[in-house]
Amino acid sequence: GAGVSQSPSNKVTEKGKDVELRCDPISGHTALYWYRQSLGQGLEFLIYFQGNSAPDKSGLPSDRFSAERTGGSVSTLTIQRTQQEDSAVYLCASSLVPGAYTEAFFGQGTRLTVV
Amino acid sequence: DQQVKQNSPSLSVQEGRISILNCDYTNSMFDYFLWYKKYPAEGPTFLISISSIKDKNEDGRFTVFLNKSAKHLSLHIVPSQPGDSAVYFCAASGGSGGSNYKLTFGKGTLLTVNP
Repeated sequence: GAGVSQSPSNKVTEKGKDVELRCDPISGHTALYWYRQSLGQGLEFLIYFQGNSAPDKSGLPSDRFSAERTGGSVSTLTIQRTQQEDSAVYLCASSLVPGAYTEAFFGQGTRLTVV
Repeated sequence: DQQVKQNSPSLSVQEGRISILNCDYTNSMFDYFLWYKKYPAEGPTFLISISSIKDKNEDGRFTVFLNKSAKHLSLHIVPSQPGDSAVYFCAASGGSGGSNYKLTFGKGTLLTVNP
């Protein structure tokens, strides 16, 4: 595709359920990032992938959060036993190579609402 | 502890005038700064960046100024156009451990350019 694609665009889930958020990066981009934006806050770093490896998971808020990337392409962010504080917009970005000096392209985000 | 601060949640200017968006940071290890623009229901898009070895970077109507001693940067848009109306995020990267891929974002400033 032409850009970073995320699905679903919106997700409403009941507290305690598991959710999976998907990210299709730009073809050929080796670096992939997940951020989230809670209401009234800036974007918060969650995890970074280089290829299929995640050298930095330091931003994941708890062990209920996990992410994987397969084939150096698609990534899935999984939140288990969702809580209301998980409600946020989850944004995925990719860049040709790692580093802030290389432009990162963001997807449109997945708006997660936990009720 | 917010390392990147955008103290003005919103700014309103007249078309044709200058827009000045401000950003302060606390981490002296940051060495690269970026501005992203975000329209509703879209992901952030890269606008302009500056390295800490410079104090100014210009791209068309957009200029970013960096004052390292004050840990302050600003984005100037001149002349402002109604299409510039969006949320502008300031972001920074760098520091120890080679974490130059991780962006730390401010909360954003909503710019409204009135016709």
